[in-house]
Amino acid sequence: SQELEQSPQSLIVQEGKNLTINCTSSKTLYGLYWYKQKYGEGLIFLMMLQKGGEEKSHEKITAKLDEKKQQSSLHITASQPSHAGIYLCGADIKGGSEKLVFGKGTKLTVNP
Amino acid sequence: ETGVTQSPTHLIKTRGQQVTLRCSSQSGHNTVSWYQQALGQGPQFIFQYYREEENGRGNFPPRFSGLQFPNYSSELNVNALELDDSALYLCASSLTGLTQYFGPGTRLTVL
Repeated sequence: SQELEQSPQSLIVQEGKNLTINCTSSKTLYGLYWYKQKYGEGLIFLMMLQKGGEEKSHEKITAKLDEKKQQSSLHITASQPSHAGIYLCGADIKGGSEKLVFGKGTKLTVNP
Repeated sequence: ETGVTQSPTHLIKTRGQQVTLRCSSQSGHNTVSWYQQALGQGPQFIFQYYREEENGRGNFPPRFSGLQFPNYSSELNVNALELDDSALYLCASSLTGLTQYFGPGTRLTVL
């Protein structure tokens, strides 16, 4: 079974709408990373969360790590076509491990 | 731009052949991790190199091997290629324990 579950698998929104992507783990998240990927390209680092309850924002993107450290959400406000891509959550689920496990990704389409 | 580069961009091989993929890490980074990403999936950890030594390995067979050089660049070698090895291969560089920054990837197709 997948160690990290992302939902939804895909999302189509109208430009200007808000959206949320979720990442859930059955294990404690010691470090949670959000990346964005254009189809067939490398991953672009967005944000990293480590402490339960932590919240970080960059431009119109906000990520949160819940208090129990087993779920994270990525929220985009007033979406734009430039936000389109695949959003991946990656996590250290062992604590101090260099290995990241990833979800399958959420494909976001933003229609103008 | 992360400063992590990979070569080649694309590669086509046939079953049974061997392939070498290369990665140059971001300046100042001493750790390189390699991931395999199949179509429609998230990246899967292959292994990591820290100061020229393997520092963790995922569930990949021994025909997947690697090297890290004194300048922290790295190679991924795959022997006896199989059709299922077709994927995007990503390398990521970091300072140990910190955020991993990914390169653009190498698309490998095995026919």
